[in-house]
Amino acid sequence: QSVLTQPPSVSGAPGQRVTISCTGSSSNIGSGYDVHWYQQLPGTAPKLLIYGNRNRPSGVPDRFSGSKSGTSASLAISGLQAEDEADYYCQSYDSSLSGYVFGTGTKVTVL
Amino acid sequence: QVQLQESGPGLVKPSETLSLTCTVSGGSVSSGSYYWSWIRQSPGKGLEWIGHIYYSGETNYNPSLKSRVTISVDTSKNHFSLKLTSVTAADTAVYYCARLTGSFDYWGQGALVTVAS
Repeated sequence: QSVLTQPPSVSGAPGQRVTISCTGSSSNIGSGYDVHWYQQLPGTAPKLLIYGNRNRPSGVPDRFSGSKSGTSASLAISGLQAEDEADYYCQSYDSSLSGYVFGTGTKVTVL
Repeated sequence: QVQLQESGPGLVKPSETLSLTCTVSGGSVSSGSYYWSWIRQSPGKGLEWIGHIYYSGETNYNPSLKSRVTISVDTSKNHFSLKLTSVTAADTAVYYCARLTGSFDYWGQGALVTVAS
């Protein structure tokens, strides 16, 4: 049951900037719970890309950035590269469900 | 570097119990700093949190699966396990184990479990 809504797909040419939105509600993002982002390359496990709304784990390029405002969050990819073609998921905690929730997922295509 | 590895049967019959184990290396399930989780992904679909466990045995489950799920931990073997009862075709998925620190920072490679007779 995905309570975090993402656009199904976004696309951009190499070098461009794309953003992915993650829309939640007052019981998750809007309650102040952190948002995290994952990148899932084809056939592989998800990889943590952004944690705590805007922090990058070691090794993640600074082309990836996260932000949060109100009941939504966003992931931006600048200087888009072919290797960025993947599925991206946001994740947070929901107090109504008393559990962790993921976004619906967004497929990024590099044109 | 923490590594997680899922293991268990890849095929389960309908109405039976799915059982998977996640072995942790490079870290300890007894660490008080983390929770240990199970997440699944149905074919072509998104991610679903199943539940997690603390080294003490404290658990938290997804309400939609709670009646069928049991997660346990064996600190002596440094692994934790998932049992899902009364499975149906809808439980066919890749099952991942992961370390939870607020975010899921380390993941196993995933284990495909197919429910079919």
